[in-house]
Amino acid sequence: AQTVTQSQPEMSVQEAETVTLSCTYDTSESDYYLFWYKQPPSRQMILVIRQEAYKQQNATENRFSVNFQKAAKSFSLKISDSQLGDAAMYFCAYRPETGANNLFFGTGTRLTVIP
Amino acid sequence: EAGVAQSPRYKIIEKRQSVAFWCNPISGHATLYWYQQILGQGPKLLIQFQNNGVVDDSQLPKDRFSAERLKGVDSTLKIQPAKLEDSAVYLCASSLRIRTDRSNEQYFGPGTRLTVT
Repeated sequence: AQTVTQSQPEMSVQEAETVTLSCTYDTSESDYYLFWYKQPPSRQMILVIRQEAYKQQNATENRFSVNFQKAAKSFSLKISDSQLGDAAMYFCAYRPETGANNLFFGTGTRLTVIP
Repeated sequence: EAGVAQSPRYKIIEKRQSVAFWCNPISGHATLYWYQQILGQGPKLLIQFQNNGVVDDSQLPKDRFSAERLKGVDSTLKIQPAKLEDSAVYLCASSLRIRTDRSNEQYFGPGTRLTVT
């Protein structure tokens, strides 16, 4: 069974600084997708970044980048130049390559940005 | 492009009452998902539709939960009778198709927050 673990319930960062959110997962599959979603108080889940497991290169999207360590089953999110609008819950999610398009989520990390 | 619409945004009911949630996916999206998000947890898939057929409902408590997508567009999730532990946010999502490829992203609605007292 696929499990996703986020060991940091809460994190805080000073505005303009960098923060890293951790995620580990467990799977027996070799091909899969990993995601980071942002959930602001409005509750709408917003895709931040995705990573295909077959790609060795770490994904980047503007100020957001990941550190994907396939052997260690680790998938951390780095937010650079943190902004007040980055404050939200962040969820790590796993999706298998085969079968239905199911997402398996971690328990989330609440990020606070300090002005 | 309009996003996934859900209603109501909030609902408060007493235990043993019934409640229904509505979802309208993005136009043209064949696959629709209902997730349950209990406070302090990540979303958990309840049921997945491909057009008007059920793909996966293995996590749906079928003794009290039901869902339908009769015309392959809108969907309704019902709870009857509700229990205290059903208090959660119910998220609806849609995607173009069921295949797991890079472009088949799930788009989420704003959710319905249900409180059962």
